[in-house]
Amino acid sequence: AQTVTQSQPEMSVQEAETVTLSCTYDTSESDYYLFWYKQPPSRQMILVIRQEAYKQQNATENRFSVNFQKAAKSFSLKISDSQLGDAAMYFCAYSNTDKLIFGTGTRLQVFP
Amino acid sequence: DAGITQSPRHKVTETGTPVTLRCHQTENHRYMYWYRQDPGHGLRLIHYSYGVKDTDKGEVSDGYSVSRSKTEDFLLTLESATSSQTSVYFCAISELAGVETQYFGPGTRLLVL
Repeated sequence: AQTVTQSQPEMSVQEAETVTLSCTYDTSESDYYLFWYKQPPSRQMILVIRQEAYKQQNATENRFSVNFQKAAKSFSLKISDSQLGDAAMYFCAYSNTDKLIFGTGTRLQVFP
Repeated sequence: DAGITQSPRHKVTETGTPVTLRCHQTENHRYMYWYRQDPGHGLRLIHYSYGVKDTDKGEVSDGYSVSRSKTEDFLLTLESATSSQTSVYFCAISELAGVETQYFGPGTRLLVL
């Protein structure tokens, strides 16, 4: 069975600095998709970034980028120039069929 | 933003009573999902639907049933609510199978006393 592990329950970063959130996953599949979702205090789940496993190029969305290491089954999220509005729970998720499998989340605090 | 609404947004009920949560979408997406979110567990899939009247179980389906009689509506029923079902419930939709991005509703906070 596929699993997703986020080993950092909490992280903190100073405003304008860079922070990296870790995610590892386990699968025997070769084609799959990986996601990072953000959940602010409003509880709304917001897609941050999406990576297709067959693409070697790391996905980037403005200040958010990933480091996708397929052989190591690692999918970390880098947030550059952190802003107060980035404070939230971040969930890593895996999918290769019709289901998403989520990690347990990392709570990110941003200090001014 | 994807057009997904959930009702009610908050509910308090007593153990043993039936509860139905509704998810409504205006996107005409084929796939709909129900998740529950609990501290330390992230989001876990309860049931999902891949078309009208087509549903399947997820990771934590015991004690829950679902129905989908129209493309736009996906109902989650707790036949006899228990305190362990106190949680935040999210509905999600996607146009294609799970390899496509899922869009989430605002969530329903359920408290079972």
